[in-house]
Amino acid sequence: QIQLVQSGAEVREPGASVKVSCKAYGFDFASFGMSWVRQAPGQGLEWMGWISGYNDKIKYGQKFQGRLTMTTDTSTGTAYMELRSLRSDDTAIYYCARDRELYCDYWGQGTLVTVSS
Amino acid sequence: DIQMTQFPSTLSASVGDRVTITCRASQSISSWLAWYQQRVGKAPKLLINKASRLESGVPSRFSGSGSGTEFTLTISSLQPDDFATYYCQQYDDYPRTFGQGTKVEIK
Repeated sequence: QIQLVQSGAEVREPGASVKVSCKAYGFDFASFGMSWVRQAPGQGLEWMGWISGYNDKIKYGQKFQGRLTMTTDTSTGTAYMELRSLRSDDTAIYYCARDRELYCDYWGQGTLVTVSS
Repeated sequence: DIQMTQFPSTLSASVGDRVTITCRASQSISSWLAWYQQRVGKAPKLLINKASRLESGVPSRFSGSGSGTEFTLTISSLQPDDFATYYCQQYDDYPRTFGQGTKVEIK
């Protein structure tokens, strides 16, 4: 059964960093990429970036360039998303989604990141 | 960036109604369009890829059409489970972009 299981909710102060994990089950992790998508409270979906399973191709949304790092660990089948210099408007649910450079066919359950002093 | 515009933003309908949601791209994306359904408090779920290909397990009352810049998602007979927000997304180019969503509400 294909599943993406994300790490738990996080609270950070402005200026801090957060790292969210996404562990894959039920498929060959290295054969697929992973997109990261976020959703601010009451808002729509915002694509952040995409990374290949082997970590050799990465696409970042321009809005997040310089603040976002995506990585993968093929030995554990886990993808990571780190966002730095957090601001209050980074408060959102962050989703990982399996993505073979096309559409997102399986999604994690989401990780709420709250940025507040 | 390719802009995706969805309309309407909210739609009120009754069980059994035929519902159509439109998504327009700011430039041609061929058929590289996906539709997602998001229920309250849940992650998005892929319904349709390549504009008209129904994902396995998705009820046949859902259908997608279009190419180029104009696309539609149709629900032929709305069911209680279908009250949700629907998003289109282009995957013709990076950055991937989503429409702003269409909320289907109970009339």
